[in-house]
Amino acid sequence: ETGVTQSPTHLIKTRGQQVTLRCSSQSGHNTVSWYQQALGQGPQFIFQYYREEENGRGNFPPRFSGLQFPNYSSELNVNALELDDSALYLCASSFYRTGGESGTFGSGTRLTVV
Amino acid sequence: DQQVKQNSPSLSVQEGRISILNCDYTNSMFDYFLWYKKYPAEGPTFLISISSIKDKNEDGRFTVFLNKSAKHLSLHIVPSQPGDSAVYFCAATQGGNQFYFGTGTSLTVIP
Repeated sequence: ETGVTQSPTHLIKTRGQQVTLRCSSQSGHNTVSWYQQALGQGPQFIFQYYREEENGRGNFPPRFSGLQFPNYSSELNVNALELDDSALYLCASSFYRTGGESGTFGSGTRLTVV
Repeated sequence: DQQVKQNSPSLSVQEGRISILNCDYTNSMFDYFLWYKKYPAEGPTFLISISSIKDKNEDGRFTVFLNKSAKHLSLHIVPSQPGDSAVYFCAATQGGNQFYFGTGTSLTVIP
């Protein structure tokens, strides 16, 4: 059983640029959630994808967008990068059902915006 | 608006003793609560969860207690081991499609 893989592990971008982060879900999982973890903070929910559609969104602006593919892998896209977007971006995959679902987290992508 | 709070940024405990990590929440509609453990350079790892219809859930050395009237949950680790040293996050969800995390408590177990 493969775990959750995120790429790249580290990334440096310039303010105003666009970035795409990738996540491959764990085998058997059909839901992917993305989180932003700023330094010293807990993960903040960005959005969740289930059956290739957004299935819940946190308090993030529209320049944060995502995709889920038929193989349940996912991308997080951020446009017009701002300095405050510098953070660890985590994705978690799970098997969707009503109720609490722990999800399996990847190791994250460390994004630095300069 | 922080709906899940961990007010203790750090905790040190002697090996073999009990570690108690605390978490408070504000949303009475949360129906599941979870604890995660995070080592540096790794993603959070699920530890234990509890449904809002229960007040206690136990898994080996880990027990989570839920006090709904106080909107408070705690994680007890007995006995604490040096390998338990990590950052612990509590999280809560309503319906399972959005999870709210606390800011974490860094636990150090001293040999």
